[in-house]
Amino acid sequence: DTGVSQNPRHKITKRGQNVTFRCDPISEHNRLYWYRQTLGQGPEFLTYFQNEAQLEKSRLLSDRFSAERPKGSFSTLEIQRTEQGDSAMYLCAPWVGGELFFGEGSRLTVL
Amino acid sequence: ILNVEQSPQSLHVQEGDSTNFTCSFPSSNFYALHWYRWETAKSPEALFVMTLNGDEKKKGRISATLNTKEGYSYLYIKGSQPEDSATYLCAFNQGAQKLVFGQGTRLTINP
Repeated sequence: DTGVSQNPRHKITKRGQNVTFRCDPISEHNRLYWYRQTLGQGPEFLTYFQNEAQLEKSRLLSDRFSAERPKGSFSTLEIQRTEQGDSAMYLCAPWVGGELFFGEGSRLTVL
Repeated sequence: ILNVEQSPQSLHVQEGDSTNFTCSFPSSNFYALHWYRWETAKSPEALFVMTLNGDEKKKGRISATLNTKEGYSYLYIKGSQPEDSATYLCAFNQGAQKLVFGQGTRLTINP
């Protein structure tokens, strides 16, 4: 148990719909990261937060993606107008003691 | 663009045999190299964080070495067991507040 809860664990949606994923670390951590993993690839960096401030966004994060961390604790990742290429595992990880501690991820399937 | 390469991409090993695989990373601006194990339906689990050239780390039957001058790290598993079946990920930290992952080595242990 890494102390990171992600919901929903699985989401199947039709192309064009919006989806939102939530990440809840059990304890508070200053830095929190979002990664995406597609089949046959390693996790790819999407964005990260220092408390509630979003400090960096990958060029992978198109305008359809938005992430928030309103109170510096939980975080949400929203994808608008989903496309089939968005199908992936979305991983959240606080930075603790020089390492990333991942949740179990939210798997998105876009039909 | 940072390039982190892992080889082989997949590996089948007989139970009881020992095995190893490689992670290659840029040799400039090195800060740390991380190894993770990712079992199916679980979250990626941190194995090692390595920071110094010549570092060797060990956890049970798993060990890792680091060569920052030539830009590679080896992960060794001695006496493989079925529970070692997983994807092993390495991640390069250039001190830029994020990890860049390789594509992983998928290890299957045959009973």
